[in-house]
Amino acid sequence: ILNVEQSPQSLHVQEGDSTNFTCSFPSSNFYALHWYRWETAKSPEALFVMTLNGDEKKKGRISATLNTKEGYSYLYIKGSQPEDSATYLCAFAIQGAQKLVFGQGTRLTINP
Amino acid sequence: EAGVTQSPTHLIKTRGQQATLRCSPISGHTSVYWYQQALGLGLQFLLWYDEGEERNRGNFPPRFSGRQFPNYSSELNVNALELEDSALYLCASSFGGPYNEQFFGPGTRLTVL
Repeated sequence: ILNVEQSPQSLHVQEGDSTNFTCSFPSSNFYALHWYRWETAKSPEALFVMTLNGDEKKKGRISATLNTKEGYSYLYIKGSQPEDSATYLCAFAIQGAQKLVFGQGTRLTINP
Repeated sequence: EAGVTQSPTHLIKTRGQQATLRCSPISGHTSVYWYQQALGLGLQFLLWYDEGEERNRGNFPPRFSGRQFPNYSSELNVNALELEDSALYLCASSFGGPYNEQFFGPGTRLTVL
């Protein structure tokens, strides 16, 4: 059974602080790792799709790294803003599985 | 460009009834996916349709079924509803297969009484 673990489950951060959280996944037969942001009352929105070991991607103040050999990805948010409050989901794909397996998410709350 | 749309927003049924949920993908996307998020759980993959065919299904009983129409819109049917089917059902679409970026709809909240 494929398992994707995200930690922590929830996080409270002061506005202006930087933060990061982790997605762990099986390291064998890796194909792709997705990050999504899910704000309350909205639809999940893709942040990054990562496929290469050592990949680093950036979108504004948010960036992600990928280590496929050890099976983890980090998501970083620099200078947190209230609009960053959301649940951040990672989803993992292995070769041939033809589906994404989602973690349970990290719920991030930015305190003003 | 219109995003993924789903209807209805909310659906209330009683145990044993059937529910039908609908999804319209982004124009040009041929792949449609269905996910279930039950209380306290992450998104669980239900079904993937592409070019009118079921390409993959998750670990759900056969009473969860669906179809994809020639215009690529999709329907999810849940027969013989059980209380534990109460959940948020999300539809997503993409170019190509499930490894590509998926675009999600707002979801249908199904409540089974």
